[in-house]
Amino acid sequence: DAGITQSPRHKVTETGTPVTLRCHQTENHRYMYWYRQDPGHGLRLIHYSYGVKDTDKGEVSDGYSVSRSKTEDFLLTLESATSSQTSVYFCAISRGGQETQYFGPGTRLLVL
Amino acid sequence: GESVGLHLPTLSVQEGDNSIINCAYSNSASDYFIWYKQESGKGPQFIIDIRSNMDKRQGQRVTVLLNKTVKHLSLQIAATQPGDSAVYFCAENSLLTGGGNKLTFGTGTQLKVEL
Repeated sequence: DAGITQSPRHKVTETGTPVTLRCHQTENHRYMYWYRQDPGHGLRLIHYSYGVKDTDKGEVSDGYSVSRSKTEDFLLTLESATSSQTSVYFCAISRGGQETQYFGPGTRLLVL
Repeated sequence: GESVGLHLPTLSVQEGDNSIINCAYSNSASDYFIWYKQESGKGPQFIIDIRSNMDKRQGQRVTVLLNKTVKHLSLQIAATQPGDSAVYFCAENSLLTGGGNKLTFGTGTQLKVEL
């Protein structure tokens, strides 16, 4: 998985609770991304980062926030989880723009 | 708008045969395409990529063809093996504000290899 780890790998939580997912890379890549994968929708970009403290929204960013205080870590936070956020979340990294993205193993999140 | 779609949701092939997975895209400005393989419970795994200044690119047992005229690309897998069973995605690349790239994925094709 190209030096990418995600934690936790599985999580069950209740509606209304905050949840933070972590992505950690050992490749020193500049760009990091959070995607969600749902049946019938493929993978969709939530947020991405183009450097420490530099982040921007993707196509499905509502209800999510991110932070990147170090090159190697990119955090995704669900401020108040909803059942529609039940999904599999993937982190990806790339060396630069127009470069291949490499994906982590994913986090399976169930919101009850 | 941009979209990436796949012609067949499921493809069944005999072990040893060649597999061809197709993908259509609609954004004529796209200049970078990637094929990923995803096994159950795992993240997408990079297979091969191609840029728009190329028509064909070969890897180990895989070949990607790009036809910009009809906005179509395909993934060919030679001598398909049981380990090739997975979902295959094509992804279309576009640039983001900060210089990173957004991948737009299709919903995937399930490749099943029959013994």
